[in-house]
Amino acid sequence: EVQLVETGGGLIQPGGSRRLSCAASGITVSDNYMSWVRQAPGKGLEWVSLIYSSGSTYYSDSVKGRFTISRDNSKNTLYLQMNSLRAEDTAVYYCATARRGFDCWGQGTLVTVSS
Amino acid sequence: DIQMTQSPSALSASVGDRVTITCRASQRISSWLAWYQQKAGKAPKLLIFKASSLESGVPSRFSGSGSGTEFTLTISSLQPDDFATYHCQQYNSYPYTFGQGTKLDIK
Repeated sequence: EVQLVETGGGLIQPGGSRRLSCAASGITVSDNYMSWVRQAPGKGLEWVSLIYSSGSTYYSDSVKGRFTISRDNSKNTLYLQMNSLRAEDTAVYYCATARRGFDCWGQGTLVTVSS
Repeated sequence: DIQMTQSPSALSASVGDRVTITCRASQRISSWLAWYQQKAGKAPKLLIFKASSLESGVPSRFSGSGSGTEFTLTISSLQPDDFATYHCQQYNSYPYTFGQGTKLDIK
């Protein structure tokens, strides 16, 4: 059974940085397409970033240049490094496998950007 | 970017009803469309991928159809567990985009 567990959320000041982690079990992160999706409070879903098994990466325009997706194969973990955070980045961040749409999701971690 | 427009935004229905939700893409996306169910405070759950393929473990009362720019999700006979928010999403091209969601509640 695939399990994804996100950690790293919390309260961050505008302009600050945070790294989110997504620990995977039941799958090998490096063998799969993996993604981050976020949901602002009371809003819809927004795709953030995706990494191919080849290592190629893709970003939404709203985070390009500020966020970086990566993985640690030895830890079977996906990351999202978030820099220059803004109030509008406040959301629950989910990691997901992207094998057929987003087929398996973690429980999410809440990031709140506020002074 | 490809815009995804769901209709209706909200829907009230009764147990046993047949319900259809529509998703329209601003450009052709072939069949690269997924449907998700989300309950309050929970992660979304994949129901349908590639427009009409039922995800393993999802009840057969859920079905998807369409290609190109117009897609539908149908629930053939609503069950109490089906009251939730439904999202469509295109994965034809980057940036991947979602519809705004359809909230389905009990009449």
